[in-house]
Amino acid sequence: DQQVKQNSPSLSVQEGRISILNCDYTNSMFDYFLWYKKYPAEGPTFLISISSIKDKNEDGRFTVFLNKSAKHLSLHIVPSQPGDSAVYFCAASGDSSASKIIFGSGTRLSIRP
Amino acid sequence: NAGVTQTPKFRILKIGQSMTLQCAQDMNHNYMYWYRQDPGMGLKLIYYSVGAGITDKGEVPNGYNVSRSTTEDFPLRLELAAPSQTSVYFCASSYSEGASGNTIYFGEGSWLTVV
Repeated sequence: DQQVKQNSPSLSVQEGRISILNCDYTNSMFDYFLWYKKYPAEGPTFLISISSIKDKNEDGRFTVFLNKSAKHLSLHIVPSQPGDSAVYFCAASGDSSASKIIFGSGTRLSIRP
Repeated sequence: NAGVTQTPKFRILKIGQSMTLQCAQDMNHNYMYWYRQDPGMGLKLIYYSVGAGITDKGEVPNGYNVSRSTTEDFPLRLELAAPSQTSVYFCASSYSEGASGNTIYFGEGSWLTVV
């Protein structure tokens, strides 16, 4: 029973275009959502987060959108750059506790020239 | 600027063997975590610790043990290794337990294969 789902295992986007990574969740008690980025042979690193009281959070080229009614969030990267090629994990937490963070299975983003 | 350091990076174990994955952090973080990531799956929490001398089970603790004798170190012990424990293991730490406004710092991972 996956509470956080990333249904696209991989995504290929041309350099300079927008990358949109999607994530769905089932638990309506989740109130905080995070995106992590992972390069091969490295640990995940925090990218951006959003609280359930917001519907958008922006940080430079990265924007996360939250649609609570649809239990859906998305990460937009504009413009996409070669260094963005990585695995992106969506994660959610229900009580603002790091020990209760549930991770999705990840989406591998490839930026092609 | 070490952050979270895990050793070993790669290990092959035979069924029934035991081993310890080492984890150390130099950021004076109170909270430390062990996750495993199976192919095509998200990270799952094995054990976590809120401070020296205090540990608690996560989502998938069976077959593992942990200890936290110091703030810096959080070793993960595998007793009687089984093929189901073949995975990539990530140690992590954070200053506080709150997910909001908090970031978790991960180590580079330890690839373990049980044959």
